Amino acid sequence: NAGVTQTPKFRILKIGQSMTLQCTQDMNHNYMYWYRQDPGMGLKLIYYSVGAGITDKGEVPNGYNVSRSTTEDFPLRLELAAPSQTSVYFCASSYRTRWDTEAFFGQGTRLTVV
Amino acid sequence: TQLLEQSPQFLSIQEGENLTVYCNSSSVFSSLQWYRQEPGEGPVLLVTVVTGGEVKKLKRLTFQFGDARKDSSLHITAAQPGDTGLYLCAGVPGNYGQNFVFGPGTRLSVLP
Repeated sequence: NAGVTQTPKFRILKIGQSMTLQCTQDMNHNYMYWYRQDPGMGLKLIYYSVGAGITDKGEVPNGYNVSRSTTEDFPLRLELAAPSQTSVYFCASSYRTRWDTEAFFGQGTRLTVV
Repeated sequence: TQLLEQSPQFLSIQEGENLTVYCNSSSVFSSLQWYRQEPGEGPVLLVTVVTGGEVKKLKRLTFQFGDARKDSSLHITAAQPGDTGLYLCAGVPGNYGQNFVFGPGTRLSVLP
C-alpha cells in the first residue's frame, strides 16, 4: 500500500500565484487533515475532514481552501500566495475511534513563496 | 492559543543520560499520542494513551497519561544518538472531539 501520497514534493510560487497541493490515501480512512510546519516548529492544523463532503477549519485556515469529494482525495488550495505561506505542508489520514487515532502522514510538500 | 504545550522546547544531552519531556494542556483529551519526526519526514506514531493514569513502555521509552487526562510525559532511559529527533504530542480535545492537534514539539539531540 502506498499510504498517504502528496504531490508535489517541492514548489516555488511567486506572490499572488495560486496552486493546489494534492493528497490521496489508499487506506479507506475517514479522517483527513492538512497541517503546516514552519521551521523548527510543531504542526498547525489548517483544515480537516471527517468524511467525503464534510470539511471544517482548523487553527490556521486563512488563505486556504479544501474540498473532499471522495474518501481518497483531500486537495488543499492556496489562493493568492503570500510569503507567510512559506512552509512545509503535511497531509495525514486516520481511521478514528476513541482507541485508535493513529495518523499516517505523507512525505510533505515544501513550499516557498517569493 | 496553544491547546498543547510541551517542555522543554530544546534538549541536548550526552549518550547514556535519562530525560523526561512533558506535554500539558488545560483541556481534557480523550487520548494523547506521541510522535517522533526526523528531518525531511512526516511524524511517525510512537504510542497512544487513552486511560487516565495509563503507563506504556516501548523498550527504553516510558509514556504516562495524567490521571485527569490533561497531560502526558515521555521518559527515555539511557538515551542513544538514534533517539535524536523532534518529539510531538498530539491529541483529540474534548470528550470525543473532531480536531486532532499537535503540540509545538521538543527537539532532542543526543550526543555520542
